[in-house]
Amino acid sequence: AQSVTQPDIHITVSEGASLELRCNYSYGATPYLFWYVQSPGQGLQLLLKYFSGDTLVQGIKGFEAEFKRSQSSFNLRKPSVHWSDAAEYFCAVGARSSASKIIFGSGTRLSIRP
Amino acid sequence: SQTIHQWPATLVQPVGSPLSLECTVEGTSNPNLYWYRQAAGRGLQLLFYSVGIGQISSEVPQNLSASRPQDRQFILSSKKLLLSDSGFYLCAWEKLLGAFFGQGTRLTVV
Repeated sequence: AQSVTQPDIHITVSEGASLELRCNYSYGATPYLFWYVQSPGQGLQLLLKYFSGDTLVQGIKGFEAEFKRSQSSFNLRKPSVHWSDAAEYFCAVGARSSASKIIFGSGTRLSIRP
Repeated sequence: SQTIHQWPATLVQPVGSPLSLECTVEGTSNPNLYWYRQAAGRGLQLLFYSVGIGQISSEVPQNLSASRPQDRQFILSSKKLLLSDSGFYLCAWEKLLGAFFGQGTRLTVV
């Protein structure tokens, strides 16, 4: 069955520190992978996506993610977080088919310590 | 460019009243459309998914229904709301590029 796991429900990091949010997926075929961010009371915004090619993808707001097929992972990273990065982050996976749906992880809430 | 409109932004409804939330997409054709619910402090729960007009897949049994009367219109409905229907409802469209979300509707059933 297709699934996405974000093992960390809540993470707190200090402002200026590095960040890594974990995402593992289970999918029958080569997936498309996404990271989204949700600020309180808002919809979700696409941070970055992986379709093919270079396994290290750059996104908006200084985020990057690395696709590791052997580990079925797509972890999100940022070298130095800012207070404005406090939000909920969702990993998602989709198939290379217009008839397939995107599946979301349960999210990781990021808090920033001043 | 593509845009997605979802309304209303907030809604307070009494228990037992009907519900209709509307979502429309502009700038694309034949998108996949989604309705999600997000309870307080929880992740996204996929409620309904549609790959075309009149084609609705229900992901979880519940008090809600969805319809897609036009290619770019997706409606979430209920005949009688329950307290447990309270939450943040998100509409999204997708077409192999990732899902793009509306701003959400905060529904409070009282």
